[in-house]
Amino acid sequence: SQQGEEDPQALSIQEGENATMNCSYKTSINNLQWYRQNSGRGLVHLILIRSNEREKHSGRLRVTLDTSKKSSSLLITASRAADTASYFCATDRTGANNLFFGTGTRLTVIP
Amino acid sequence: DADVTQTPRNRITKTGKRIMLECSQTKGHDRMYWYRQDPGLGLRLIYYSFDVKDINKGEISDGYSVSRQAQAKFSLSLESAIPNQTALYFCATSDLGGETQYFGPGTRLLVL
Repeated sequence: SQQGEEDPQALSIQEGENATMNCSYKTSINNLQWYRQNSGRGLVHLILIRSNEREKHSGRLRVTLDTSKKSSSLLITASRAADTASYFCATDRTGANNLFFGTGTRLTVIP
Repeated sequence: DADVTQTPRNRITKTGKRIMLECSQTKGHDRMYWYRQDPGLGLRLIYYSFDVKDINKGEISDGYSVSRQAQAKFSLSLESAIPNQTALYFCATSDLGGETQYFGPGTRLLVL
C-alpha cells in the first residue's frame, strides 16, 4: 500500500511560472522527503523536512509540512525546462525502518 | 563514477527463467534496498538489508530473493520469472541514520 499520494498526477506549466505539488499521507512520521526522477532514471533526493518543522527552503525549492492535516507541499519557483521530471514524496514513518513513496507528480515545463 | 551501480541496465527474459540483478555501491553505506517501479504505482519496497547479516522482507517480497554478499553488494533474484514482474527495478543505499536514500540508475526488466 502506498503511504503518500501526490496531487496533481500531472502538471504542465510555462517556463518561469511556479509549480506546486502536494502530498498527503496517512500515519505519523519522523520526516518527509521529496525526490525527483528524470524519465526512466534513478531518484535523486531534493529536500527533507522533519516532523517538528513547518517550512524549509533550498534554492528554488520550498517545502511545507502540516502534520495536523498530514500533508506537505513542494513549490518550485521560476521553473525551468530542466525541471521537467516526476516528483515523489516519501515518508519516514514512525516505527518503520524504510521509506514509503507516493505515486508521483509528473511535471512538464514548457520552454 | 556513479556511487550506486546496477547491472544489467536492461534485461529481457522468458517466463520461468531464473535471473539475478546486481547492485554495488561505493558510498560505504550499511543499508541497501531493492524497489520495483510500475507505471502509476510509484516505488514499492521488495527487500532491504541493514548489514551483511540482516535481511528483511518489504511490501512485495513474494517471488523474489536477495543476497547480501558484502557491505557493498546486494543482489536480487527472481527464481522463476513471470510476466507481471516486468518493471523497472531500483537499488538504493542509505547510511546508518537511514534518512536520505541514494538510488542506482535502475534495471529495466521485461519478462516474456
